[in-house]
Amino acid sequence: EVQLLESGGDLVQPGGSLRLSCAASGFAFSHYAMSWVRQAPGKGLEWVSGVSGYGDITYYTESVKGRFTISRDNSKNTLYLQMDSLRDDDTALYYCAQDGGRRPPHMFDLWGQGTLVTVSS
Amino acid sequence: DIQMTQSPSSLSASVGDTVTITCRASQPIGNWLAWYQQRPEKAPKSLIYEASSLQTGVPSRFSGSGSGTDFTLAISSLQPEDFATYHCQQYHSYPITFGQGTRLEIK
Repeated sequence: EVQLLESGGDLVQPGGSLRLSCAASGFAFSHYAMSWVRQAPGKGLEWVSGVSGYGDITYYTESVKGRFTISRDNSKNTLYLQMDSLRDDDTALYYCAQDGGRRPPHMFDLWGQGTLVTVSS
Repeated sequence: DIQMTQSPSSLSASVGDTVTITCRASQPIGNWLAWYQQRPEKAPKSLIYEASSLQTGVPSRFSGSGSGTDFTLAISSLQPEDFATYHCQQYHSYPITFGQGTRLEIK
């Protein structure tokens, strides 16, 4: 079964750090670019970051540049998001998504169920 | 950044109705537009890509149209499982951006 399973979400204080993981199964992980998309409580979707299949090209939305780092380990079929200097407005459900389409930027063919990050003192 | 504006923000309809949701981009994006369905407490599900191409397994009562700046998602013969929130997304250029969502409720 094709699946994405996120983990690592937690309650963290402002200024703290967190590392999210996304375990992929059922498809050739290294063949696909991947992204993180977040959704604040009661709000719409916001793209956060993307990475190429090889992991050598990364993209970020402006508000997380310099604070978040996307990476992947193709030997483990796992996507990561290292989140540092967290702020209150980073509070959201974070989704891992498989990129689709013919060229970057991409739309998202497959989504995980999300992991909740809460930033609060 | 390209701003995506959906209208309406919410609408009520009955089973069997046909509804349309529009999405407008702040600048031309060709046909690089996708639509997603999100049921309550669930992850988004891809419905349409490249403005009008239906994802595998998506019922044919869903259709997309448009190019440039104006796009439409139409749902005909509404079924109970179609009552959800719908999001548009542009992938013409970075940063990728979404509309604010349209909530489709049962009348």
